[in-house]
Amino acid sequence: KQEVTQIPAALSVPEGENLVLNCSFTDSAIYNLQWFRQDPGKGLTSLLLIQSSQREQTSGRLNASLDKSSGRSTLYIAASQPGDSATYLCAVRGSARQLTFGSGTQLTVLP
Amino acid sequence: EAGVTQFPSHSVIEKGQTVTLRCDPISGHDNLYWYRRVMGKEIKFLLHFVKESKQDESGMPNNRFLAERTGGTYSTLKVQPAELEDSGVYFCASSQGDSSEQFFGPGTRLTVL
Repeated sequence: KQEVTQIPAALSVPEGENLVLNCSFTDSAIYNLQWFRQDPGKGLTSLLLIQSSQREQTSGRLNASLDKSSGRSTLYIAASQPGDSATYLCAVRGSARQLTFGSGTQLTVLP
Repeated sequence: EAGVTQFPSHSVIEKGQTVTLRCDPISGHDNLYWYRRVMGKEIKFLLHFVKESKQDESGMPNNRFLAERTGGTYSTLKVQPAELEDSGVYFCASSQGDSSEQFFGPGTRLTVL
């Protein structure tokens, strides 16, 4: 059974800092991995999708990497801004089409 | 292009009552998923439709939950009768292909009193 862990559970950084969020998964037989952000009381916004054959994906200030063999992914946020404050969720898709979610990292970027 | 929409945004019902949640996927997306988050836990998968067919309902907690997707467009999730432990946020997602990015709706917050 796939398990997804996100560390740290919460992170507070000053504006402008570069930061890394971590995601690990127990079963390396994944099809893809997706990073989301969730703002309080809102739905999930998809940030990046990495297919199992890819090593990284970039979108603006965001860069996600995937190391399938070690069961790890990282989300790098460059030059953080207060608007980046949200909960970041990692989810993996295995042979079944469902996503298995981690519990998220709550990020606060201080002005 | 409109995203995934869900109705209602909030629902408060008494234990034993029935509630029906609705999800409208992105137009043209054959794959539709239901997930939920109960208090303090991770988001968990409930079931997956491909067009009008249930592809995987392994996450449905019990037979009080019934999902339908008539005509392969919108989907409904009925809880009958509702129990206290059904409280949580119910999310719907859709994707074009089964390896594609899943797009989520805003969720329905269900409170059972």
